[in-house]
Amino acid sequence: KNEVEQSPQNLTAQEGEFITINCSYSVGISALHWLQQHPGGGIVSLFMLSSGKKKHGRLIATINIQEKHSSLHITASHPRDSAVYICAATFIIQGAQKLVFGQGTRLTINP
Amino acid sequence: SQTIHQWPATLVQPVGSPLSLECTVEGTSNPNLYWYRQAAGRGLQLLFYSVGIGQISSEVPQNLSASRPQDRQFILSSKKLLLSDSGFYLCAWVPRGGYEGAEAFFGQGTRLTVV
Repeated sequence: KNEVEQSPQNLTAQEGEFITINCSYSVGISALHWLQQHPGGGIVSLFMLSSGKKKHGRLIATINIQEKHSSLHITASHPRDSAVYICAATFIIQGAQKLVFGQGTRLTINP
Repeated sequence: SQTIHQWPATLVQPVGSPLSLECTVEGTSNPNLYWYRQAAGRGLQLLFYSVGIGQISSEVPQNLSASRPQDRQFILSSKKLLLSDSGFYLCAWVPRGGYEGAEAFFGQGTRLTVV
């Protein structure tokens, strides 16, 4: 079982819809990252959070430490938001920081 | 400033040939370094991570090896590539310390095609 689980794996929506992508992790973490990967493969870091909520433009990331759950929201979605969104968590294991990725959510926004 | 460099961006290699991908970081010392692979249509799988020079942990058995000859250099290698080694390889680093909210930095990735 992966230490970081994302849902859904694929998501298709119409332009303008509110998007939610979920991430759950198995044990305590030191940080939770939301990343965006475009078709060429390059990865962009969107958010890094350890508690509460962060907002950047139309993107909002939240985390609930007690429930070991994080969500990424996109408001007023646009076709250019189409990408793979990845949740990654930093765990402290035997003194080392281990960065583990979720499987990713492929988001397609249709015009 | 803190940056990470990974090269090459793309690579086409014949089966049986050796491989060397390099990742270097700047603007930090003693980072935790990681190599990941993403097969076509799959998520990013952790291959190796390193907490210091010469210290390598392997997550999955495979045809690859990793080395850390210097504090800010992480190398992914293979003596003989297999077709199944094709994929997207990504280097990442996290600052040492375990403090809450440690940010992670990612290389641009290397797309490897073994033919």
